Amino acid sequence: DAGVIQSPRHEVTEMGQEVTLRCKPISGHDYLFWYRQTMMRGLELLIYFNNNVPIDDSGMPEDRFSAKMPNASFSTLKIQPSEPRDSAVYFCASSSDGRDSPLHFGNGTRLTVT
Amino acid sequence: KNQVEQSPQSLIILEGKNCTLQCNYTVSPFSNLRWYKQDTGRGPVSLTIMTFSENTKSNGRYTATLDADTKQSSLHITASQLSDSASYICVVSASGKLQFGAGTQVVVTP
Repeated sequence: DAGVIQSPRHEVTEMGQEVTLRCKPISGHDYLFWYRQTMMRGLELLIYFNNNVPIDDSGMPEDRFSAKMPNASFSTLKIQPSEPRDSAVYFCASSSDGRDSPLHFGNGTRLTVT
Repeated sequence: KNQVEQSPQSLIILEGKNCTLQCNYTVSPFSNLRWYKQDTGRGPVSLTIMTFSENTKSNGRYTATLDADTKQSSLHITASQLSDSASYICVVSASGKLQFGAGTQVVVTP
């Protein structure tokens, strides 16, 4: 299994631009999570999906952030417009259940907004 | 205040030596406790998951312990190797949510 695949690995953009991060979860995993990691705040849950349906988006910072999961094998996290404070590493993770199974993380997208 | 506290924040150990990382938590009701290893530039990788009824679990040279009464866990690394250099993150599951610790940065030197 290829694991969770994220793209791009690095993204540098200017303030105000739209950014789209992509994720392909492990096949058969019903749960997909988006996390953000910074030195100051560590890992923070942004949103998670169960069977392609958003369940909890309370961690999404503001309306500039949106996430979709159009099918079981693909999800996007979009930031529009981007701001310098959005600079962080964004991780996608999937799991077979939302309770006792481990999370399988991708290798993240390092976003830099200048 | 973070409900999952890890100590130390960082440590340096010589290759071949053992070390122990600590995790104290206050979240409840408790479902399970997880330890993850995160190499630089990579996503976290699961080492162990322990439920309330388990007090020890091993994964190779990594051994995790759990005391649910005192709400403490430890991760012991035996005979450390250079590849053990990473951040180790304690994660507690409670009420369907995961609470992450800030991690302990471990550096293994030759």
